[in-house]
Amino acid sequence: EVQLVESGGGLVQPGGSLRLSCAASGFTFNNYAMSWVRQAPGKGLEWVSLIRFTGVDTYYANSVKGRFTISRDNSKDTLYLQMNSLRAEDTAVYYCAKTHTSDWLYDYWGQGTLVTVSS
Amino acid sequence: DIQMTQSPSSLSASVGDRVTITCRASQGINNYLAWYQQKPGNVPKLLIYAASTLQSGVPSRFSGSGSGTDFTLTISSLQPEDVATYYCHKYHDAPQTFGQGTKVEIK
Repeated sequence: EVQLVESGGGLVQPGGSLRLSCAASGFTFNNYAMSWVRQAPGKGLEWVSLIRFTGVDTYYANSVKGRFTISRDNSKDTLYLQMNSLRAEDTAVYYCAKTHTSDWLYDYWGQGTLVTVSS
Repeated sequence: DIQMTQSPSSLSASVGDRVTITCRASQGINNYLAWYQQKPGNVPKLLIYAASTLQSGVPSRFSGSGSGTDFTLTISSLQPEDVATYYCHKYHDAPQTFGQGTKVEIK
């Protein structure tokens, strides 16, 4: 059974940093690209970032480019999101998502971790 | 960046009704379009990909169509368990984009 378990969310002040983790199990992690998708309270889904299975190629939404860094440790089956210079508008539930075998869409999602940016 | 515009933003229909949600891309995306269902308090669930391919385990009352810039999600006979928000998703390359969502309720 595929499982994605996020951790690392919490309350942080504007300008602060946070590192999210996503522990994956139930599939061959190093065969799949992985993404972070976020959802602000009461709002829609927003794609944040994607990393290819090798970890070499990474992609970001314009809203987080230069502030967030996605990475992965294939030896630990874990995905990360380092978030720096956090803003109030980064407040959201952050989901880890596994790509489908056919393309960069998402067939499994974690339960999410809440990041709140507030003073 | 390619923008995805869904309509309507919300709808109310009766059980058994045929429901249609549309998604328009600001430029052509071939058939790289997926649809997700998100029930209140739950994570998104993949329904359809490649514009019209039903994900395994999804009821056949859900169907998708379209190519290029205009896409449609259809629920042939609305059921109470279909109450949810539905999102289209442009994938295949980055940056990716989700539509703003369509909230479906029972009348």
